[in-house]
Amino acid sequence: AQSVSQHNHHVILSEAASLELGCNYSYGGTVNLFWYVQYPGQHLQLLLKYFSGDPLVKGIKGFEAEFIKSKFSFNLRKPSVQWSDTAEYFCAVNTNAGKSTFGDGTTLTVKP
Amino acid sequence: GAGVSQSPSNKVTEKGKDVELRCDPISGHTALYWYRQRLGQGLEFLIYFQGNSAPDKSGLPSDRFSAERTGESVSTLTIQRTQQEDSAVYLCASSLARVGEAFFGQGTRLTVV
Repeated sequence: AQSVSQHNHHVILSEAASLELGCNYSYGGTVNLFWYVQYPGQHLQLLLKYFSGDPLVKGIKGFEAEFIKSKFSFNLRKPSVQWSDTAEYFCAVNTNAGKSTFGDGTTLTVKP
Repeated sequence: GAGVSQSPSNKVTEKGKDVELRCDPISGHTALYWYRQRLGQGLEFLIYFQGNSAPDKSGLPSDRFSAERTGESVSTLTIQRTQQEDSAVYLCASSLARVGEAFFGQGTRLTVV
């Protein structure tokens, strides 16, 4: 069965600091990978996704993620965070079986 | 509609009562998911529909939970004889293709007292 592990439950950063949130998955076959974000009081929404091709994908608001197949990882990065990036971030894996599996989420707090 | 719609947005119910939660997916989306999110925890998969069939019900926590979907439209999640541990936000998501991006509703916050 597929599973997703997010290593950090709560990250606290100051504005302009660099961000990297870890995500590892376990599944032996082809996967599609996603990062979703939930801002306070809002819906979960897609941040970025990887289906195939260039393993470095860019999303909205300056976020990017790199798929490293050999490490089963899809870490999320941003060079310089802003206070408005305070949110909960979820990594997700989807396989051809159709089911999406989410990690437990990482709460990011950015101090102004 | 423009997005995934869930109703009610909030529900307070007494322990032992049955509740029904509704999800209206984006028109044309064949895949529909139900998740549960307890306070301070991640997303817990409940059930996945492809059309009106449910190839994966493995996440339903007990036989008190059931879900159905009419065609490629509305889905209802029913919880019978609610317990306090059922208190959570129940999220619905739909996607255009089986492996596509999931669009989430705002959730139904269920409180069992």
